[in-house]
Amino acid sequence: GAVVSQHPSWVICKSGTSVKIECRSLDFQATTMFWYRQFPKQSLMLMATSNEGSKATYEQGVEKDKFLINHASLTLSTLTVTSAHPEDSSFYICSANNPFLGTGSYTFGSGTRLTVV
Amino acid sequence: AQSVTQLDSHVSVSEGTPVLLRCNYSSSYSPSLFWYVQHPNKGLQLLLKYTSAATLVKGINGFEAEFKKSETSFHLTKPSAHMSDAAEYFCVVSPNDYKLSFGAGTTVTVRA
Repeated sequence: GAVVSQHPSWVICKSGTSVKIECRSLDFQATTMFWYRQFPKQSLMLMATSNEGSKATYEQGVEKDKFLINHASLTLSTLTVTSAHPEDSSFYICSANNPFLGTGSYTFGSGTRLTVV
Repeated sequence: AQSVTQLDSHVSVSEGTPVLLRCNYSSSYSPSLFWYVQHPNKGLQLLLKYTSAATLVKGINGFEAEFKKSETSFHLTKPSAHMSDAAEYFCVVSPNDYKLSFGAGTTVTVRA
């Protein structure tokens, strides 16, 4: 149980365009989801905490107008990279608390490889 | 504040030999500690979790980790490596079962 589906798995876009990444909890409700960014050969950096029905909480240094997060339902959070530039190219991963494994255990999506050209 | 230090950026072992991945942590609270594995271009999979119960934690795929408070360590081991264990491993600390802080990761390669 507790599957998190992330879509698309990879996307290539032109500079200046926007890209939306979806994160869905398939068999459970997730009031909170987390968005991470991972550069090649590096660790995951928390970007923001997505809260259902309220504004996301962004980590220091993350531009909220650049990375728009919407958590409109208990099973879906979206991350939109607006006016993308090559430096936004990265691997983006979402996660949600896994209710089947108890508090503090998280299930991760399979990630989205974004390439901005 | 909490942080995690993975002492080895890369570990190479022969198939069938033991694997040791070292992790030290610092935390102002009694933390929860995790080990996650990531295969190339994939999400992360939870291997095991420590939450102040038994200090020796058994996980999936034959992995286990021992919590040593005196050494502030949470090293991950497996008695016999398999080719499928080649991946990136992350030690993670969470002071409040909410936000996660990731170590830099250890790349494991397994030689045939």
